[in-house]
Amino acid sequence: AQRVTQPEKLLSVFKGAPVELKCNYSYSGSPELFWYVQYSRQRLQLLLRHISRESIKGFTADLNKGETSFHLKKPFAQEEDSAMYYCAHRGSNYKLTFGKGTLLTVNP
Amino acid sequence: DSGVTQTPKHLITATGQRVTLRCSPRSGDLSVYWYQQSLDQGLQFLIQYYNGEERAKGNILERFSAQQFPDLHSELNLSSLELGDSALYFCASSDSVKSGYTFGSGTRLTVV
Repeated sequence: AQRVTQPEKLLSVFKGAPVELKCNYSYSGSPELFWYVQYSRQRLQLLLRHISRESIKGFTADLNKGETSFHLKKPFAQEEDSAMYYCAHRGSNYKLTFGKGTLLTVNP
Repeated sequence: DSGVTQTPKHLITATGQRVTLRCSPRSGDLSVYWYQQSLDQGLQFLIQYYNGEERAKGNILERFSAQQFPDLHSELNLSSLELGDSALYFCASSDSVKSGYTFGSGTRLTVV
C-alpha cells in the first residue's frame, strides 16, 4: 500500500543539538511532499513543501528519490521547536496522506 | 488566524447523539477536507469536497456524512455517537495544485 512512514514516534534532543525527523514514502513517480507542524494540539501549519526548496524557521528538507525519503533537518534545535511534526504526501486528487507524526521535544 | 474557521471549538455530548461540525474555508478556496485526529490513529482523512461535489472518501464511517454548500462552507455530521468518536476534527481548505492545505483550529469532540 502507498504510505508515508515516520519511524520515530518520539524524538528528544537538547537545545542547540542538530535534529533530523525521518520520513519515508512508498509512492512511485514524482511525489509531492510536505512537512506540517502542530504546536500543543493546535491547528496544523504548513512548514515546508519540497517543490519550493525553502528554509522555514531554520528547517530544511531534501527529497531523496533514491532512498524515497524526505527527512526534516535543523542544525541547532530551539526549545520553541518542540511540537508534533507530520510528513505528508499529496496524491493526484490533491488529498494529503499523513504519516503518524513525530513528537519532538527540545530540552533546555 | 489561518482563514479557515471551524465551529464549535469544543463539543461535549452523550453516546447515541448527533452533532454537526461546521467549517468555512479560506476565501477563494474551493476544496474542503475533513480529518479526524485521535491519539491512537493519528490524522485520518475522512472526506473531500470540491466546489460542492464529493471528490474523495477516506476512512469515514457510515454514521458520518458531510456536505459542501453553495457558499462553500462545509458541515460534517456525526450520528449515533460512540465513545471512540472522541477526537479532534480538523477541516482544511486549498485552492490550487501548488499550495498545501490551510487548516482550521479544529473541533474537539468529547463523547461521554
